[in-house]
Amino acid sequence: AQSVTQLDSQVPVFEEAPVELRCNYSSSVSVYLFWYVQYPNQGLQLLLKYLSGSTLVKGINGFEAEFNKSQTSFHLRKPSVHISDTAEYFCAVSSTGTASKLTFGTGTRLQVTL
Amino acid sequence: KAGVTQTPRYLIKTRGQQVTLSCSPISGHRSVSWYQQTPGQGLQFLFEYFSETQRNKGNFPGRFSGRQFSNSRSEMNVSTLELGDSALYLCASSSPEGGKAFFGQGTRLTVV
Repeated sequence: AQSVTQLDSQVPVFEEAPVELRCNYSSSVSVYLFWYVQYPNQGLQLLLKYLSGSTLVKGINGFEAEFNKSQTSFHLRKPSVHISDTAEYFCAVSSTGTASKLTFGTGTRLQVTL
Repeated sequence: KAGVTQTPRYLIKTRGQQVTLSCSPISGHRSVSWYQQTPGQGLQFLFEYFSETQRNKGNFPGRFSGRQFSNSRSEMNVSTLELGDSALYLCASSSPEGGKAFFGQGTRLTVV
């Protein structure tokens, strides 16, 4: 079985500042890792994914994440946030070799203010 | 290409009733997964259907069931509704190579 821990439930940040949302996972097998964003009353939108290869993954909207196998982490970063980045962010893991069965973290609320 | 479509968007049901939710995946996607999202439990996997067969199942009671049709559309059914079933139910379809899941906007179910 696998699990995901998102260490921060809320992250307040000023516009144009950098941000890091932390994610740690636990699994006894190789995993796929994902970050999703959810805006109010919406579904989930895929930001980026790590399946294999380069450990630095670039996604949409200027986000990137780095897979660290030794620390079992997959932290999400953005060098300069915008008001429109205010949303809930979910880290997820899959050990089935596909994205069809995901285990999610509890989410991090990113609040960007002026 | 049209995205994942879930209907209806909102539902209000009474305890003890049953409900059926519908999900139309992206064209060409054969895998459909269902998730329940609540403030207390977060996002939890319900089940996955692939080519009309349940391929994976989460840890939910038998009141939660699903099916998939030959056109890959899927339905989820909850019988004997309880107040705790109030949630946002999300459907996701996965790309053929399996590396991406695309979510619908969800169905907000309120049980009163």
